[in-house]
Amino acid sequence: GAVVSQHPSRVICKSGTSVKIECRSLDFQATTMFWYRQFPKQSLMLMATSNEGSKATYEQGVEKDKFLINHASLTLSTLTVTSAHPEDSSFYICSANHPSGTHNEQFFGPGTRLTVL
Amino acid sequence: GNSVTQMEGPVTLSEEAFLTINCTYTATGYPSLFWYVQYPGEGLQLLLKATKADDKGSNKGFEATYRKETTSFHLEKGSVQVSDSAVYFCALSALSSGYSTLTFGKGTMLLVSP
Repeated sequence: GAVVSQHPSRVICKSGTSVKIECRSLDFQATTMFWYRQFPKQSLMLMATSNEGSKATYEQGVEKDKFLINHASLTLSTLTVTSAHPEDSSFYICSANHPSGTHNEQFFGPGTRLTVL
Repeated sequence: GNSVTQMEGPVTLSEEAFLTINCTYTATGYPSLFWYVQYPGEGLQLLLKATKADDKGSNKGFEATYRKETTSFHLEKGSVQVSDSAVYFCALSALSSGYSTLTFGKGTMLLVSP
């Protein structure tokens, strides 16, 4: 099946530092990847859609200067949380669009737990 | 716009009980419907899906039928296990600009006790 990995799985950083999270599709090429944020006991909130070779499309209310997304290859997208603050602490999940059949499916990474002190 | 509504949890059951988690949706066109499961501290795993009306998705004893007339996709399992304890998300997928975007319900936590 289609496998998506994320690295790191957990990260703890000091306030004001930047953190980069990687999302990789391991056995397929994904022209489109998605970044979600999940608050405790809540659903997934789509942050942005990442397209290979072009700028990401951000959802309303998501600061693109704070959450930098780069989709440099067909198997890698990165999310950089710049100048992180405690309120950025969350569970970040990526997914990759697998072009299977007539219905593109999304396959999810295992998530990255970010804690900002 | 598209939206998914699912029953609030937690749903608490004893092992071997029957499970139903309700899910209804609002969408334009003909979306695909999904159930995802999230175990504690992990990402989402696709549990089952249905791509057109009257399709039944099934996996690991779970099943759900795409009901266009009632815009529903209720999740059922005849006999739950402790290992089924997780959060279940109903979602719909709509094609937009060549890729699918997912709209999730808020999730329903299932707790199964021995």
